[in-house]
Amino acid sequence: DAGVTQSPTHLIKTRGQHVTLRCSPISGHKSVSWYQQVLGQGPQFIFQYYEKEERGRGNFPDRFSARQFPNYSSELNVNALLLGDSALYLCASSFRGASTEAFFGQGTRLTVV
Amino acid sequence: GQQLNQSPQSMFIQEGEDVSMNCTSSSIFNTWLWYKQDPGEGPVLLIALYKAGELTSNGRLTAQFGITRKDSFLNISASIPSDVGIYFCAGQLAGGGADGLTFGKGTHLIIQP
Repeated sequence: DAGVTQSPTHLIKTRGQHVTLRCSPISGHKSVSWYQQVLGQGPQFIFQYYEKEERGRGNFPDRFSARQFPNYSSELNVNALLLGDSALYLCASSFRGASTEAFFGQGTRLTVV
Repeated sequence: GQQLNQSPQSMFIQEGEDVSMNCTSSSIFNTWLWYKQDPGEGPVLLIALYKAGELTSNGRLTAQFGITRKDSFLNISASIPSDVGIYFCAGQLAGGGADGLTFGKGTHLIIQP
């Protein structure tokens, strides 16, 4: 069975640009959450989507947005990139909400130059 | 954002030794999860705990959900080289279903030959 898949695995962007990251959850899972992990820290919660609706939002600026599609895959969008947005972006899949076991993808390493 | 207090930050041990790490918070949690993360990878779920006082094992790993619901510990018995990595605790805040998981800063486990 395929686990959580994220694309791309790495990318480099310039300050001010926009980026879209993609995630496919485990088959049968209906909830997707996004986390940002900077070097040396634990992941920080960005968004949670369940059944295509936003169910939670962390303390991130409006430059960050996301959506979930009918097939439960998800996109994370970041506008007007800053150097500080450089991080590993992780997608987590769970059967329902974040209170159940969350399984992570391998992440997308974003570098902003 | 809020993070759990995870200790120790790093551990240097000999192969075969037992390992213990813990997480504490001033807030009450409904769920405690323990993850292991290898370089360049996403966190891998090791153990999930759902009830205060619960003690759960997964092979050589044992974790407990503190009875105050504000702490959890993870023990690894008879460590082996593949145990090297960063271990994270994560929790779901009580009443915080929309807030995703809160992570500790990680315990870096290093095994000396």
